[in-house]
Amino acid sequence: GNSVTQMEGPVTLSEEAFLTINCTYTATGYPSLFWYVQYPGEGLQLLLKATKADDKGSNKGFEATYRKETTSFHLEKGSVQVSDSAVYFCALSTFGNEKLTFGTGTRLTIIP
Amino acid sequence: EPEVTQTPSHQVTQMGQEVILRCVPISNHLYFYWYRQILGQKVEFLVSFYNNEISEKSEIFDDQFSVERPDGSNFTLKIRSTKLEDSAMYFCASSLTGKEKLFFGSGTQLSVL
Repeated sequence: GNSVTQMEGPVTLSEEAFLTINCTYTATGYPSLFWYVQYPGEGLQLLLKATKADDKGSNKGFEATYRKETTSFHLEKGSVQVSDSAVYFCALSTFGNEKLTFGTGTRLTIIP
Repeated sequence: EPEVTQTPSHQVTQMGQEVILRCVPISNHLYFYWYRQILGQKVEFLVSFYNNEISEKSEIFDDQFSVERPDGSNFTLKIRSTKLEDSAMYFCASSLTGKEKLFFGSGTQLSVL
């Protein structure tokens, strides 16, 4: 079956630090990969996605590259801001099905 | 941007009671979903709904659970006889085509005592 393993949190960084949140997956077929973000008091929002190997998803300064050889989709940002404080979820879907398989989420706190 | 609305934000109930969690999906969306997250665990798929019927459900979605679109705007999740292990954050989501991205609500935190 499908599964997503995500870096354990919580993660606390200073403003302008470099961020990496690791995500690896197991899937049948060729999954699409996603990062969702949940800001306090809000729903999960799609942050970025990649649908095939070597694709790079990017949004709001965040990037993640679909690495088929390592079955990974690590989230990176070069310089984080306080407003990036949120919970980040890695997820996948297969066969065009919007049923998502999520990781446990990583709580990120950025300190000024 | 349009959003998915869930009510209530918090629900406390006694074990064995029925609860109904309510969701108003984005108005022109056609595909609807419920997910849940037990504290400290992964967000899990429960059910997807399209054209007034369930299109897929997980093993979690047993006979105690049901979904309904009672009118043109609401999408509800009913748990007939709640158990302690039903305590979780329940997320509703909708999608325009089932192939585009999902829009999630902010969740209902259900506590079963």
